[in-house]
Amino acid sequence: AQSVTQLGSHVSVSEGALVLLRCNYSSSVPPYLFWYVQYPNQGLQLLLKYTSAATLVKGINGFEAEFKKSETSFHLTKPSAHMSDAAEYFCAVSLDTGRRALTFGSGTRLQVQP
Amino acid sequence: KAGVTQTPRYLIKTRGQQVTLSCSPISGHRSVSWYQQTPGQGLQFLFEYFSETQRNKGNFPGRFSGRQFSNSRSEMNVSTLELGDSALYLCASSLGDSFTDTQYFGPGTRLTVL
Repeated sequence: AQSVTQLGSHVSVSEGALVLLRCNYSSSVPPYLFWYVQYPNQGLQLLLKYTSAATLVKGINGFEAEFKKSETSFHLTKPSAHMSDAAEYFCAVSLDTGRRALTFGSGTRLQVQP
Repeated sequence: KAGVTQTPRYLIKTRGQQVTLSCSPISGHRSVSWYQQTPGQGLQFLFEYFSETQRNKGNFPGRFSGRQFSNSRSEMNVSTLELGDSALYLCASSLGDSFTDTQYFGPGTRLTVL
């Protein structure tokens, strides 16, 4: 069975600092990986997705993620945090198993300090 | 193009009642999935519909059901509500039913069961 682990339920950074949100997956088949962001009282917004075309994926709002098969990781980064980045971030995996459902990590709440 | 819409946004019910939530997918999208989000269990897959057929179902009791109409709009129903059903219910639509298709989420319906 596939699973997604997000290390750190809360991450706090200063405005302008590097953002690094960690995601590891376990899967016996090649995964499609996604990062979503959720602002308070809202749904999930797609940040970026990995579809095997390129290991470094660029998304919206300056975020990017790198797929590392050897480490089974798909960490999300942003060079310089902005106050508006404060939100909850979810890593998710989709697999070609005939059962099409996203499996989500438990989420990481990002706090940005002024 | 309009995004995924969900109605109502907020709902308060009492134990034992039933509730129906509605989801309108992005125009042209034929797949609709439903997820439940709670602080304790996180994001969990409920079911997926494609071309009016339920394709997959998550590990939820039979009190949770859904359907999809010919215009791809979907409804989910929860009967005999329990306190534990209080959650944010998210609907997601995608163009097709492949595991590679990106799921786009609506704002959710916040259900409170008293």
